[in-house]
Amino acid sequence: AQKITQTQPGMFVQEKEAVTLDCTYDTSDPSYGLFWYKQPSSGEMIFLIYQGSYDQQNATEGRYSLNFQKARKSANLVISASQLGDSAMYFCAMRERNYGGSQGNLIFGKGTKLSVKP
Amino acid sequence: GAGVSQSPSNKVTEKGKDVELRCDPISGHTALYWYRQSLGQGLEFLIYFQGNSAPDKSGLPSDRFSAERTGGSVSTLTIQRTQQEDSAVYLCASTPKVGGGADTQYFGPGTRLTVL
Repeated sequence: AQKITQTQPGMFVQEKEAVTLDCTYDTSDPSYGLFWYKQPSSGEMIFLIYQGSYDQQNATEGRYSLNFQKARKSANLVISASQLGDSAMYFCAMRERNYGGSQGNLIFGKGTKLSVKP
Repeated sequence: GAGVSQSPSNKVTEKGKDVELRCDPISGHTALYWYRQSLGQGLEFLIYFQGNSAPDKSGLPSDRFSAERTGGSVSTLTIQRTQQEDSAVYLCASTPKVGGGADTQYFGPGTRLTVL
């Protein structure tokens, strides 16, 4: 079973509007971290935002916020006031707690390609 | 400060040849990861190094793949007898330490490997 599911292969948004990118995850570990990365056409993975499983409040970083719904195992990324430079692939990733043999590598979803229209 | 660097940025090789990919992590970062990004498989974990501990090789797809990390810093991923299915972007990431969920992994620009 997939651990990270991103159901939107592609999304369009008008410049200056907000957009939500969906991410659901599957884990039985009570301690985990959720990450969002942006990958523009240049290929580099750029860290955007992090949410810990025990964090009480939704994470925010500038125009990025993470809508964390723990019971639903959902960690959607919200981008406010979209800009043309936001056009990129966006990946949701999870890191489970380190147990013996688990070294904390990230498990990625398939990604969502966001296109911002002028 | 300097980020994670990788070389070469692009590598074209013939099937059956060996290749070496290099990663320079962020100075002071003790943990280093290799991932592979291909069209069919998305992003896959390959191998992990933490300090002087034995690496976690659980993600390596075959024994043709190996990696080493010298002096706790630079890492080299070696693919022997390359196959066409090895064509992908190989990404390296580093993080200051392991143990906290918030340790963000910072990625390099990747090496695009094409096997003809």
